[in-house]
Amino acid sequence: AQKITQTQPGMFVQEKEAVTLDCTYDTSDQSYGLFWYKQPSSGEMIFLIYQGSYDEQNATEGRYSLNFQKARKSANLVISASQLGDSAMYFCAMRGNYNAGNNRKLIWGLGTSLAVNP
Amino acid sequence: ETGVTQTPRHLVMGMTNKKSLKCEQHLGHNAMYWYKQSAKKPLELMFVYNFKEQTENNSVPSRFSPECPNSSHLFLHLHTLQPEDSALYLCASSQELLGEQYFGPGTRLTVT
Repeated sequence: AQKITQTQPGMFVQEKEAVTLDCTYDTSDQSYGLFWYKQPSSGEMIFLIYQGSYDEQNATEGRYSLNFQKARKSANLVISASQLGDSAMYFCAMRGNYNAGNNRKLIWGLGTSLAVNP
Repeated sequence: ETGVTQTPRHLVMGMTNKKSLKCEQHLGHNAMYWYKQSAKKPLELMFVYNFKEQTENNSVPSRFSPECPNSSHLFLHLHTLQPEDSALYLCASSQELLGEQYFGPGTRLTVT
């Protein structure tokens, strides 16, 4: 069965420092995709970054990068130069193989609450 | 206009009421989704529509009834809900099925 695990319920980081949010996954699919989303206290979920299982390079989007270690089944989010506005919940999600029936749906982790201190 | 809008933002209803949640996307996307977000639980994907056709119904009770009249609009009709249905209901859209999703602000539902 597919599963996403985020082991850090809460994290603190000092402003301007980098922080890594952990995500491990379990799947038997050969083809899958991994997403990270941010949810501020306002409630709206915001897409941050995507990594396909066959992508050779780690995904990057501005201050966000995804440390993809396929053999370890981990897809950690790295936020560089943290800002106060980065304080939010962060969710890791996985999409299975489109053609694998029930595996098509998105599986979500429980999230990590990040607090950026001034 | 914001990409994905949801109305109402807050809703309090009794267990015998009937109400509807509305979602509209202005992004030209082909797929739309309803999610339920409860405290200390993973986000639950409820319904998925692709080109107006329902592709997923993840064992959602029949007291939740979705409707997708076109690719831009999605409704969630609610009737005879239970207190455990109280949650944040999020709507999302994506260009391709299960691609990167854009979410609305959610409807905070309280069932009394």
